[in-house]
Order: sequence, then structure tokens, then C-alpha cells
Amino acid sequence: KQEVTQIPAALSVPEGENLVLNCSFTDSAIYNLQWFRQDPGKGLTSLLLIQSSQREQTSGRLNASLDKSSGRSTLYIAASQPGDSATYLCASYAGGTSYGKLTFGQGTILTVHP
Amino acid sequence: EAGVVQSPRYKIIEKKQPVAFWCNPISGHNTLYWYRQNLGQGPELLIRYENEEAVDDSQLPKDRFSAERLKGVDSTLKIQPAELGDSAVYLCASSLQGTSYNEQFFGPGTRLTVL
Repeated sequence: KQEVTQIPAALSVPEGENLVLNCSFTDSAIYNLQWFRQDPGKGLTSLLLIQSSQREQTSGRLNASLDKSSGRSTLYIAASQPGDSATYLCASYAGGTSYGKLTFGQGTILTVHP
Repeated sequence: EAGVVQSPRYKIIEKKQPVAFWCNPISGHNTLYWYRQNLGQGPELLIRYENEEAVDDSQLPKDRFSAERLKGVDSTLKIQPAELGDSAVYLCASSLQGTSYNEQFFGPGTRLTVL
């Protein structure tokens, strides 16, 4: 059974800092990996999806990397802003007979203070 | 293009009462998912439909939960009777099976409070 763990559980940083969120998964036979953002009381907003054949994806100030062999993914946020405050979730897509099944981590709560 | 639509957004009921949630997926998406998200946790899959067929319902508590997807489009998730521990956010997602990465798109969720 796939298990996804996110570290740290919570992070508080001053505005302008570069930061890294970590995600690890136990079964390296994943298909894709996706990072989401969730604002309080809201649904999930997709940030980046890394396909199994890729090692990273970039969007604006966000960069996500994937190392399947070590079972790790990182989300790098450059020059953080107060508007980045939210919960960040990573999720792995299963392959094989469970194709498409998403397994989520518990999330990292990010607070960026002015 | 409209995203995944869910209703209601919020629901407060007393324990032992029934409750139903509705989801309309993105047009053309043949796969639909229901997730439950407890406070401080990531979402967990309850059931996955491919068209009208429930292909993965292993995590659905079948004694009190039921779901249907008529005509392979809209879906309804029902709880009867609700228990205090059912308080959570219920998320619906959809995807187009057969694309290169099967990306799932999520609705805003229904926040259920059972008193």
C-alpha cells in the first residue's frame, strides 16, 4: 500500500524567503506525481504535475522535482509572498492495476508573514 | 470551460439523519472520484467510477455509504444514517481516462458537519 509523507507539517517564514517542501513515497512504481494547493475552506488547485518520465516541472516561482528511485519529490518556492500561505499537498498516481489512483500526503501548512 | 461542480457547499445535520452530495464533472470526463478529507489530513479515495461502473469502491463504508453515477455523468454520494465521525469535506474529482497522464481536477467540496 502506497504511503505518502510530507515534511514539515507546518512552516512559517518571512516574506521573500526561498523554501522547500518535501514529499516522500514508499512505492516507487508511481505513474505521476502532482502538487496541489488548498486554501482554507476551498478545494484543491493543481500547481504542478510531473509525469513519470520527467524529473521536474516549473511554473513561475514554483519548481517541483521527482526522484522515483529514492521515492522523493520536492516543491521549491522562490521569493515567497504572503499570498503563498496555504496548505500544500503532494499526491502520487498509481500505475498498473490501480492506474489513476491518487494517494495524498497529509499536507504542509505554509504561512508567509510580511 | 466549467470546472467540477458540487452542491451543496455546506451541510449541517444531526446524527442519524441522511445526507446526499451531488457532483457534476467536467464535460467529457469519463472517470469520476469521490474523496473524503478529514481535518488536517489529505483526501482519501472513497470510490472511483469509469463511466457508470464503480471500478474501485474498496474504501467506501458500504454499511452506511452509497453512491451512484447515472448515465455516466452526474454522481450522488449518500450517507444514511450519518455519524459524528462522518464530519469532513467530501471532494469530487474527474479525469479523462486515456490521456497521457490522467490528471484529476477537483471541485470545491462539500463541508459536512454532523452534530
